[in-house]
Parts: sequence; structure tokens; C-alpha cells
Amino acid sequence: DIVMTQSPDSLAVSLGERATINCKSSQSVLYSSNNKNYLAWYQQKPGQPPELLIYWASTRESGVPDRFSGSGSGTDFTLTISSLQAEDVAVYYCQQHYSTPSTFGGGTKVEIK
Amino acid sequence: EVQLLESGGGLVQPGGSLRLSCAASRFTISNYAMSWVRQAPGKGLEWVSGISGSDGRTYYADSVKGRFTISRDNSKNTLYLQMNSLRAEDTAVYYCAKGGGNYITYYFDYWGQGALVTVSS
Repeated sequence: DIVMTQSPDSLAVSLGERATINCKSSQSVLYSSNNKNYLAWYQQKPGQPPELLIYWASTRESGVPDRFSGSGSGTDFTLTISSLQAEDVAVYYCQQHYSTPSTFGGGTKVEIK
Repeated sequence: EVQLLESGGGLVQPGGSLRLSCAASRFTISNYAMSWVRQAPGKGLEWVSGISGSDGRTYYADSVKGRFTISRDNSKNTLYLQMNSLRAEDTAVYYCAKGGGNYITYYFDYWGQGALVTVSS
């Protein structure tokens, strides 16, 4: 199974400041035949199901604010919130869907400083 | 707007069985991969099982293989998860999730609200 490791476990950021979450996979999730990274990011607010933010490592889902961006390739990925808003307080998960079983990172809790 | 509505959760004794349903609307489930993902209380996300779109091939996490069965009824546009030999560690909120495409190797673009399964005596 591919192991997904997120860091940090939690972070506190001031409103309007940048938040950066890292995700590392135990093996590459880049599919060479289509040059796509099979890596997604989700946001989960308390008491709610996860919501898709980013897929193919860097494609923003429709309706997601452009302050959210994804980057990286192969085994190292980053989710960046460029200017943290109060409504961004949540837990963020990365997921590899390159192979079954699909696996998630342990989550990163983002709070306001 | 795509909707996924889970039902069938509840309290069950260890060793018991439960069947979850996920009624889908505004898309055809046989055209997309569908999965069940669970979340134990206060914990992270764990993929449990999936079924691919066109060929209906099924996939399971090792933790549930041989005990859980995923299926779908295309006429009802509904996904199911039959859970047998339930254990305390199966206690979780179970989410139904739609894949972004036909193959099992897709991200999840829509999630249901979840069904709570509690395994306890």
C-alpha cells in the first residue's frame, strides 16, 4: 500500500497569512502514460463530509476559491492557502488514487492564530 | 446538483450484520466508480471498498475483505455495502463517495453526509 504522510499535524496561521501543508507519498503517484499525478486534496469542516479542493495535484475543483492551490509531482506535494480566511478553519487531507487501496494522509488541522 | 443519500446505519452487536444504502440522484452510478470511505470517531479517512463504473469490478481494503460486500442496483441508482461479522473497530461514519470518472483510480468529487455505524454490546 502507498503510505501518505502529511505535515504538520496542525498549524495556526493569522488571518490573511499563508498556510502551507505538505504531503509525501511512499512511492510515486505520477502516471507516466498521461503525465498526471494521482493526488487530491480535501477540506473537512467539523460535522461535515470532506469536500474536494484539488485533483490531479494542481487542478482546482469548480467553485473552490483561487486562494487554494496545489503543487508538486512524483512523491512530494503541497497545498497552499495564500491568504487564510476564517471559513478555512478545517482539517485538510491528501489522498493518492494511483492504486488501490486508495490511501489518505493523516490530516492537518488548520486554525486561526 | 449531484446528491448522495446514505441510510441504514445504526447500533449493532459485535458479530452482527448491517446493510448501508446510498441513493444517488442527478447522475447514473453505473457510469462512474463509486466507493465507501469511513471515518472512526476523531480519526482520519479510510477507504473501505469501491466498484468501478463500466465493468462493475469490486475492490476492498484488507481490513474488510471477506466480511464486507459492495454492490449496486442500476435500476434504483443505488449503491450498497453489506457488512457482516462486524467488529468494534468497524465503528465509524461511513461515507458514500462518487468517483470523478469510470475507473476506480479517480478522486472523489461528491460525498454523502454519512451514516453512523456503531458496533457495541
